[in-house]
Amino acid sequence: AQSVTQLDSQVPVFEEAPVELRCNYSSSVSVYLFWYVQYPNQGLQLLLKYLSGSTLVKGINGFEAEFNKSQTSFHLRKPSVHISDTAEYFCAVSPIRAAGNKLTFGGGTRVLVKP
Amino acid sequence: KAGVTQTPRYLIKTRGQQVTLSCSPISGHRSVSWYQQTPGQGLQFLFEYFSETQRNKGNFPGRFSGRQFSNSRSEMNVSTLELGDSALYLCASSLAGNYQETQYFGPGTRLLVL
Repeated sequence: AQSVTQLDSQVPVFEEAPVELRCNYSSSVSVYLFWYVQYPNQGLQLLLKYLSGSTLVKGINGFEAEFNKSQTSFHLRKPSVHISDTAEYFCAVSPIRAAGNKLTFGGGTRVLVKP
Repeated sequence: KAGVTQTPRYLIKTRGQQVTLSCSPISGHRSVSWYQQTPGQGLQFLFEYFSETQRNKGNFPGRFSGRQFSNSRSEMNVSTLELGDSALYLCASSLAGNYQETQYFGPGTRLLVL
C-alpha cells in the first residue's frame, strides 16, 4: 500500500516570490510520482511526473520537482509565482508494474498568491 | 481534441435515493478511473474500467458501482445515498491505463445529498 503526506495544508506567498510545496510518500514497492494542480471549480491538471532518469523534473508553468529516493520525497518548486498560480496542488503516486491506473493522493496544499 | 466531459455538473439528491453520473473520455482513451473528493477524506480512488471490465477497485462499499460501455464511456452509480456521499466526483481517462500514463481529468460532478 502507498500513502502520501503533504506537509503544508496552506501556503501563502507573495507574487514573484519563490514557493516550495513538500511531499513525502511511503510505499512497499517502487512508485511513479506526480504533481497535479486544481484551479477553483475545475478538475485536476498534470503539472509534472517522475518516471525514471534525472531526478529533477521540469513541468508546465515553470514548475519543477526533485525526486529524492533516500528521503522518499518529491518536493515541488517554482522560483517566482504569479497570481494565477493560486490553486490547490496535489502530490500523487502510482505503483510501478501494477496493472491499470490507481493514483494515491496526498491531502493537498492550497497556495494563495498575494499581490 | 475534446477533453474529458462529465454530466451532470451539479446534482442535488436526498438520502436514500440513487444517482448515476456519466463520464465521456477523450477520444481513443480506453481507461476510465473515478475518484471521490471531499474536504475530510481528500481524493480517493473509487474504481477503474478498461475495455468494459473493472480492473481496479478502491475501498468503497458496494453501494458504489460502475460500468463502461463499448465506446469507453463510463457511468458510476451510487445507491441508497447517505449524507457523507456529498462530494465532487472526478473521472479521468488515459490511453491504455498503464501505470506511467498521464490521466486527464474531467471537471467533475458535484453531488449534494440532503
